[in-house]
This record gives sequence, structure tokens and C-alpha cells, in this order.
Amino acid sequence: GAGVSQTPSNKVTEKGKYVELRCDPISGHTALYWYRQSLGQGPEFLIYFQGTGAADDSGLPNDRFFAVRPEGSVSTLKIQRTERGDSAVYLCASSPTSGGYPGELFFGEGSRLTVL
Amino acid sequence: TQLLEQSPQFLSIQEGENLTVYCNSSSVFSSLQWYRQEPGEGPVLLVTVVTGGEVKKLKRLTFQFGDARKDSSLHITAAQPGDTGLYLCAGVPNNAGNMLTFGGGTRLMVKP
Repeated sequence: GAGVSQTPSNKVTEKGKYVELRCDPISGHTALYWYRQSLGQGPEFLIYFQGTGAADDSGLPNDRFFAVRPEGSVSTLKIQRTERGDSAVYLCASSPTSGGYPGELFFGEGSRLTVL
Repeated sequence: TQLLEQSPQFLSIQEGENLTVYCNSSSVFSSLQWYRQEPGEGPVLLVTVVTGGEVKKLKRLTFQFGDARKDSSLHITAAQPGDTGLYLCAGVPNNAGNMLTFGGGTRLMVKP
């Protein structure tokens, strides 16, 4: 498809397990964002990539969270030793902008993570 | 405390009524955006405002950016059930590169 694709759409795991969430951005978009959204709240910034590098990872809550974008396209958000408080919808967005203000962010439908 | 505070958090109105939602901050933003999100989907951009005092109209929606670039409002005229959703403002604080920060959102329900 032409939009941002996120997999899995739904992930249920047990506390302490490792989880990977994948984001396939719109082709040609250089900027990629990860956000976390809890029920009834606005998206919370996690990390922003410009190309292959993490331009800003100040939103990652702790060292259990890590994200990569090795070839400047697909990105993977990795969560180690999951905790119940990690349960949320993880949103990925991409943008064609390479500088200045972000321009329009195109979001995927999100990956809903539930940690039991 | 969020960088962008939205009010009200919830709003339930009848079809045909007018409404205004607000997005306020103590910080200056280089730009502000408004998104609309429906259940199970990601946010979709409605508008971007860049210049202090700017007003943009999108059919029945009017967006305003404050003169000091610290606040914004969204006014909807003659609301329709299709306007139901979560309205989010988002901005890049000055000197924050491309880190787009979202407010907590206003959940709007328009009853027929």
C-alpha cells in the first residue's frame, strides 16, 4: 500500500518478554517518528530518525527501549523486559521533510501492545 | 505537565452547534499543527499554522495561531456527527529541531 504500515497490529505478551514492533514508512520519506499513545491521551514522542540516524531519542522512557532504522527505511522499535506499564498503542509516522519544521506527518494505524 | 495543554478534554454537543477548542502553552512554537484521530487509526493532519496571528479556514473549521505563537484555537461551525473524533494540536518548540510534541487532545462527540 501507499501508506505507513505497522506490524503487528496487535501484540499480547507477558511481563518480562522481549517485543519488536515494525514500521514500514512511505517510500522516499526521510523522517520517521515513533510515538506512544495511552487510552484517552495524546501521542507521546519517543524517537525521531532523519535517514538512518536517531536525530532525537529524548523521548525514550528508559534503556529498555531501543529503535533502529539501519537502511533509512524500515524501523524497528525494540522493548526489552516488558512491563505492564508499557501497554499502549505505538504509533509510527513518516514525513518527507529533511529540515525545517516537520511538515505533515503520515501515521500508521499503530501497534497495540498489551503486557499481561 | 504537558507542554501543550488542550481544553476542554471532552465535549459533547448537538448537531448544528458551534464550538471552540483551545491549545495553550507557555512556550513559543515555530509552528503548530492540528490533527484529527478516529478510533483505531492514526492522526490525520488538518492544518499547519506558521505565522503569529495566522488564520486558516478549512470548510467549517477555522484555525488561529496566537500572535505570540504560544497558543492556537480551532473553531467548528455547525458541527456534524462526522466531526466526531479526537482533535490534537502538535507543535515544534523553538530550537527543538523536528521534535513534534502533541497535546492531550479534545475528544469531541457530535450527536445527531
